[in-house]
Amino acid sequence: KAGVTQTPRYLIKTRGQQVTLSCSPISGHRSVSWYQQTPGQGLQFLFEYFSETQRNKGNFPGRFSGRQFSNSRSEMNVSTLELGDSALYLCASSPGTRGETQYFGPGTRLLVL
Amino acid sequence: ELKVEQNPLFLSMQEGKNYTIYCNYSTTSDRLYWYRQDPGKSLESLFVLLSNGAVKQEGRLMASLDTKARLSTLHITAAVHDLSATYFCAVDLAYNYQLIWGAGTKLIIKP
Repeated sequence: KAGVTQTPRYLIKTRGQQVTLSCSPISGHRSVSWYQQTPGQGLQFLFEYFSETQRNKGNFPGRFSGRQFSNSRSEMNVSTLELGDSALYLCASSPGTRGETQYFGPGTRLLVL
Repeated sequence: ELKVEQNPLFLSMQEGKNYTIYCNYSTTSDRLYWYRQDPGKSLESLFVLLSNGAVKQEGRLMASLDTKARLSTLHITAAVHDLSATYFCAVDLAYNYQLIWGAGTKLIIKP
């Protein structure tokens, strides 16, 4: 089975711009979670989608949003970028039931200048 | 607020030695995950522990879960250089679909 894929792998943006990141889960997985990883804050949960519905959202401002499509692919969007949004953004997929392993993609490294 | 604390946060050890990484969490959960991350890479699943007393082993790594003590351990036996990485534990909240992560333990194993 192909693993989780994320595009793009690297991005450089400037403050005030917006960005869209994409995640394709493992075939058959219906849950996609998004995380932000920074050296200072570690791994933080952004949101989780299952069958096109957001089931949970982390403590991030409304500039961070996401969606999931009927084929389980997911996108996250960050509007009005700030310097502090520079991070590695990871998505993970799982079948969708608690207790199942989440499989992570390679991540998108975002640099905001 | 749920907190997940790992210790130590940094560990440098010699090959052949044994050591244990600890993961404490502050609320009830019966699901705990261990992941490994190599520098510049993504996260790789190591273990999923689903009940009190669960023990899983893979090669030189063994993980256990004590839900009553809210403690998980990752034990490394006869460490080898290839195990150098950052190890994360994460706790699954019982009432929603998110993982809360520890800060990670950076493990350096010297040949």
